[in-house]
Amino acid sequence: EVQLVESGGGLVQPGGSLKLSCAASGFTFSGFAIHWVRQASGKGLEWVGRIRSRANSYATAYAASVNGRFTVSRDDLKNTGYLQMNSLKTEDTAVYFCTRNDGTYPFDYWGQGTLVTVSS
Amino acid sequence: QSALTQPASVSGSPGQSITISCTGTSSDVGAYDYVSWYQQHPGKVPKFMIYDVSYRPSGVSNRFSGSKSGNTASLTISGLQAEDEADYYCSSYTSSSTYVFGTGTKVTVL
Repeated sequence: EVQLVESGGGLVQPGGSLKLSCAASGFTFSGFAIHWVRQASGKGLEWVGRIRSRANSYATAYAASVNGRFTVSRDDLKNTGYLQMNSLKTEDTAVYFCTRNDGTYPFDYWGQGTLVTVSS
Repeated sequence: QSALTQPASVSGSPGQSITISCTGTSSDVGAYDYVSWYQQHPGKVPKFMIYDVSYRPSGVSNRFSGSKSGNTASLTISGLQAEDEADYYCSSYTSSSTYVFGTGTKVTVL
């Protein structure tokens, strides 16, 4: 069974940092791109960023709203993806989901999400 | 990259058909056949419904269908059922090698 489990969310002050993890199981993690999507309370989905597989040179890409502040990474030996968030702003407050993409089926499985709250 | 534009709400009676539009630009929806659709019930995780404009993944009802014309993609739900009441989001690959989601549409079954 495919599973994606996010962790690492919590309360952080504006300007602070937080690192989210996405633990994967039930599929060949190394063959998939890992994406992060967020959703503020009562709002829509917002694509945040992604890291491709080793076969695609671990290429990364980011939404303009987080570019330069967030970094996606992965550890294929641990079957885990990461989202490092720096210089956090109040508008980054949201539930953060990780999801996968094999190039054919975009975002077919999602984790349950982890809540990040940026507040003083 | 601005969000794709969807109507805020669409409603229909049981058994009817409804269509949700998703309007982008020549840099996303109009540039690639990489439009997908997701259903999200309140408090739940998004569910993958349509990919590559019009293909249904295994397990998704054939009451759901997708299409595209120019910069606008559409999701049609036929034979509307109470369980279809949810939020729906489109998504597209972009010329910047990123993805963008739509603004979301709340479907109400009257």
